[in-house]
Amino acid sequence: QKEVEQNSGPLSVPEGAIASLNCTYSDRGSQSFFWYRQYSGKSPELIMSIYSNGDKEDGRFTAQLNKASQYVSLLIRDSQPSDSATYLCAVRSSGTYKYIFGTGTRLKVLA
Amino acid sequence: GAVVSQHPSRVICKSGTSVKIECRSLDFQATTMFWYRQFPKQSLMLMATSNEGSKATYEQGVEKDKFLINHASLTLSTLTVTSAHPEDSSFYICSARGRTTGAQETQYFGPGTRLLVL
Repeated sequence: QKEVEQNSGPLSVPEGAIASLNCTYSDRGSQSFFWYRQYSGKSPELIMSIYSNGDKEDGRFTAQLNKASQYVSLLIRDSQPSDSATYLCAVRSSGTYKYIFGTGTRLKVLA
Repeated sequence: GAVVSQHPSRVICKSGTSVKIECRSLDFQATTMFWYRQFPKQSLMLMATSNEGSKATYEQGVEKDKFLINHASLTLSTLTVTSAHPEDSSFYICSARGRTTGAQETQYFGPGTRLLVL
């Protein structure tokens, strides 16, 4: 069974620090990787997508993908209290449009 | 990003009644929509994949006769929870597959519908 695993947390970081969130996946055929942020009681919102090995930066966010090791990570620089949320990793396998979601990592940024 | 709406945002119903939830893509055509369910403190679980003009594909363990999905147009999909029971109380979220300017695709989520069955 295809799986996506994340540490549930909570991960606590002080304001201004770098938050590092990790995700591993089991299907080597996975093609697309996504990070979503979900605030309590709300639906997920897309933060980053990454499709090839290496780093992808967008503002304070950097996604890192290593297909050989089957992990994808998200770095949040200069963390703010408003970044406190659950971060969901999603993976799309080849030959399907379906996403498999991890259980999410709860991030707390302490003011 | 693309905009997906859901209606209603919140619904309370009596056990045994049916509830219909609408999912619309507002600024793009969605050939595929997905329906998820999320229980408190759990991740999103895919219930079914809905393709315009064809029958939905349900995930293992999801009752197709209980969760009726209709994808009547490229911008509208509906989920009907038939004969709802308290255990169906959950957060139902739809997403629509949209094509970006590149070759890649992304799912955009609606705001969700919170269902409470009494």
